[in-house]
Amino acid sequence: AQSVSQHNHHVILSEAASLELGCNYSYGGTVNLFWYVQYPGQHLQLLLKYFSGDPLVKGIKGFEAEFIKSKFSFNLRKPSVQWSDTAEYFCAVNAVNAGNMLTFGGGTRLMVKP
Amino acid sequence: EPEVTQTPSHQVTQMGQEVILRCVPISNHLYFYWYRQILGQKVEFLVSFYNNEISEKSEIFDDQFSVERPDGSNFTLKIRSTKLEDSAMYFCASSELEGSGSEAFFGQGTRLTVV
Repeated sequence: AQSVSQHNHHVILSEAASLELGCNYSYGGTVNLFWYVQYPGQHLQLLLKYFSGDPLVKGIKGFEAEFIKSKFSFNLRKPSVQWSDTAEYFCAVNAVNAGNMLTFGGGTRLMVKP
Repeated sequence: EPEVTQTPSHQVTQMGQEVILRCVPISNHLYFYWYRQILGQKVEFLVSFYNNEISEKSEIFDDQFSVERPDGSNFTLKIRSTKLEDSAMYFCASSELEGSGSEAFFGQGTRLTVV
């Protein structure tokens, strides 16, 4: 069975700082990878996803993530965060040809100070 | 923008009682899911549903749980006899296509508190 780990539980940054949130997964086969964001009081929203092709994927709101297969990683980055990026971020994996379920990491709570 | 809606947003129930959590998936979606997140823990998959039957379920989804699509719009999760450890945020999701190829859209969740 697959598992996902997010290394940082809480991150505090000042506005304009750069962001990198780590995500590693364990699964020997092909995966689809996702980052979801949950703003306070709102539902989980998809930030970006990787299915195949260019391992550097760009998502909404200036976020990007890089899939490094050899490291089983899919880290999320943003060069300059804003106060409005304050949210909880979830990495998730779907094992291709092994069903529909998403396996989530524990989440990273990001606080951006104005 | 279409969205998944869940009701109620918060439900408090006594241990041993039955609860039904309701979801209205996005109208043209075919795959439906329930996930839950116990406070301080990961979001966990419970069950997926397609073509009026369960397509996958996790170990968590035991005989106490059931899902139903009673009409063309609602998708419900029933817990027959709630336990304290069922207290969690329950998320409904739907997708247009099968999980491997499709984004899942999530609702805002129902916070279930069992006392």
